[in-house]
Amino acid sequence: SYELTQPPSVSVSPGQTASITCSGDRLENKYVSWYQQRPGQSPVLVIYQDYKRPSGIPERFSGSTSGNTATLTISGTQALDEADYYCQTWDTSMAFGGGTQLAVL
Amino acid sequence: EVQLVESGGDLVQPGGSLRLSCAASGFTFRNYEMNWVRQAPGKGLEWVSFISSGGTTTYYGDSVKGRFSISRDNAKNSLVLQMNSVSDEDTAVYYCAAGYSTNWVDYWGQGTLVTVSS
Repeated sequence: SYELTQPPSVSVSPGQTASITCSGDRLENKYVSWYQQRPGQSPVLVIYQDYKRPSGIPERFSGSTSGNTATLTISGTQALDEADYYCQTWDTSMAFGGGTQLAVL
Repeated sequence: EVQLVESGGDLVQPGGSLRLSCAASGFTFRNYEMNWVRQAPGKGLEWVSFISSGGTTTYYGDSVKGRFSISRDNAKNSLVLQMNSVSDEDTAVYYCAAGYSTNWVDYWGQGTLVTVSS
């Protein structure tokens, strides 16, 4: 099965920029999506097709890819952005990264 | 308003069976690919199974292949996961998840808890 690798945790100060990476073999040839999951809640799609934002997702969320690494960037991070973030792609099946806990300190 | 409402989660003994259901509303169900995704307590998301919009194509994760079965009824806007021969490792919250493409999930349900224990 396909593997996606994320850092377990990232910390950021309020108002600063947070970057969460996701790496996988030949990832540049696949679409990457990102989900936010706050404690006790269901995941929410924040980025799809590498960089597109669904309706209702703030502009401070952006996505990019370069080579085998996809990056979720949160600009002007707010306390409410504190959550777990998962990258996801489709190879021969759906694959999720292990998740990154974002701490806003 | 889009809604995915899972039901059927329960306490089940190892080796037993369970049937999870998902009722969809607020979007054109027949146009969406459907997945089951689970999350064990304190762990990350794990994809379980996929069914195409027309119901003709299904895929399963290695950990459930041969034990779980996914199906859908587009006339009733419903999705089902039949779980057989369950083990402790199947303990998780199970999410019903809808995507307009195979490449992402647009909508998630609130989840239903399955606990496997004797």
